[in-house]
Amino acid sequence: DVKVTQSSRYLVKRTGEKVFLECVQDMDHENMFWYRQDPGLGLRLIYFSYDVKMKEKGDIPEGYSVSREKKERFSLILESASTNQTSMYLCASSLFRGENGNQPQHFGDGTRLSIL
Amino acid sequence: GNSVTQMEGPVTLSEEAFLTINCTYTATGYPSLFWYVQYPGEGLQLLLKATKADDKGSNKGFEATYRKETTSFHLEKGSVQVSDSAVYFCALRKGGTSNYQLIWGAGTKLIIKP
Repeated sequence: DVKVTQSSRYLVKRTGEKVFLECVQDMDHENMFWYRQDPGLGLRLIYFSYDVKMKEKGDIPEGYSVSREKKERFSLILESASTNQTSMYLCASSLFRGENGNQPQHFGDGTRLSIL
Repeated sequence: GNSVTQMEGPVTLSEEAFLTINCTYTATGYPSLFWYVQYPGEGLQLLLKATKADDKGSNKGFEATYRKETTSFHLEKGSVQVSDSAVYFCALRKGGTSNYQLIWGAGTKLIIKP
């Protein structure tokens, strides 16, 4: 089974801090994703990466950056945390299969981040 | 643009009741459609999928049929159990070069009472 591991289940940080959320997958997947999940809004894509050192903005990239130095690891960085970034953060990965690929995304258990 | 609309929750049912969670979509081309489930305290996991019109996805007693004429992908189960209590997300995959991105519905919370 694919395993996507997020480094923390719960995290509490202060406004203005630089915050790192780590995600590791063990199935050699090309694609990795960071979402935030808020009640009533579903999942919103922050950033995704389709290869090492490659990244693309999702729907809500403002206030975030990402790093993918190794294929198995995808980090989300909050440059200067703010209270409106309090949320559940979900990491996912998937295998790329070209234009006709329909590989599912596999999710970690999430990090519930509180910014005080 | 592409979008997914799900019925608002929570949906509360008694055990063994029939379940329908509505999902409609707007998309260009021929998207693939998915249902994901999120059990309490866990991440999302794929429940079922359909990749072309009239396909029926099924898993764990759940079914959904890709209806292009009504742009719908409603989730159904004949007899729900308490263990089915979770949040259910409908999603579509864009076609073309961005085919690894998913567009998500807002999620529908399902509560099953014994």
